[in-house]
Amino acid sequence: QSALTQPASVSGSPGQSITISCTGTSSDIGAYNSVSWYQQHPGKAPKLMIYDVNNRPSGVSIRFSGSKSGNTASLTISGLQAEDEADYFCSSYTSSSTLVFGGGTKLTVL
Amino acid sequence: EVQLVESGGDLVQPGGSLRLSCATSGFTFNSYEMNWVRQAPGKGLEWVSYISSSGNTIYFADSVKGRFTISRDNTKNSLYLQMNSLRAEDTAIYYCARVRPYSGSLGCDYWGQGTLVTVSS
Repeated sequence: QSALTQPASVSGSPGQSITISCTGTSSDIGAYNSVSWYQQHPGKAPKLMIYDVNNRPSGVSIRFSGSKSGNTASLTISGLQAEDEADYFCSSYTSSSTLVFGGGTKLTVL
Repeated sequence: EVQLVESGGDLVQPGGSLRLSCATSGFTFNSYEMNWVRQAPGKGLEWVSYISSSGNTIYFADSVKGRFTISRDNTKNSLYLQMNSLRAEDTAIYYCARVRPYSGSLGCDYWGQGTLVTVSS
């Protein structure tokens, strides 16, 4: 199972919006509404930000939203804040009953 | 408060074995599926293994199949990963992660802080 494809890095200024893409195949993202997004600050454990494509866990800011079209999922962060600077990973369930992650995207807040 | 605490990481020689543990609290462990996920230094996340709440269903990534074993003790609220025939490419931080309930998708909601496994001679 190959990793999902994410851009290595994205950046934005405070207050702006950014979008991170996550591209898979018809055997993972395209087949299930089971995409999750995780935020990871340096030296910390990942934190769930979005599940099932576009659902936010309790306590996660409404500035974080998710979507999916075909084999590509996206995470949008609006009103960028300094504390959003982190690595972001997507994941998807697969037709092989496994979980596959993206390679990760480093978000820099300028 | 949900807590997951991994232990057992160490420096081990290639071909060696190691057993990781994950002690949990703050939720009804025997009702939840669990995952092990790893992260090589400076790299992305890689799913390693899954176990159902009863322990009857188990899945592994191809990269560890035949070398790693996952198990759980619901009486001790603990998850385990037995790693044999370790290779340099198994060097990573290993995270214990709870599967989000009723998801049917192996997605994780809570993660431990991880334990570092280094495979080197």
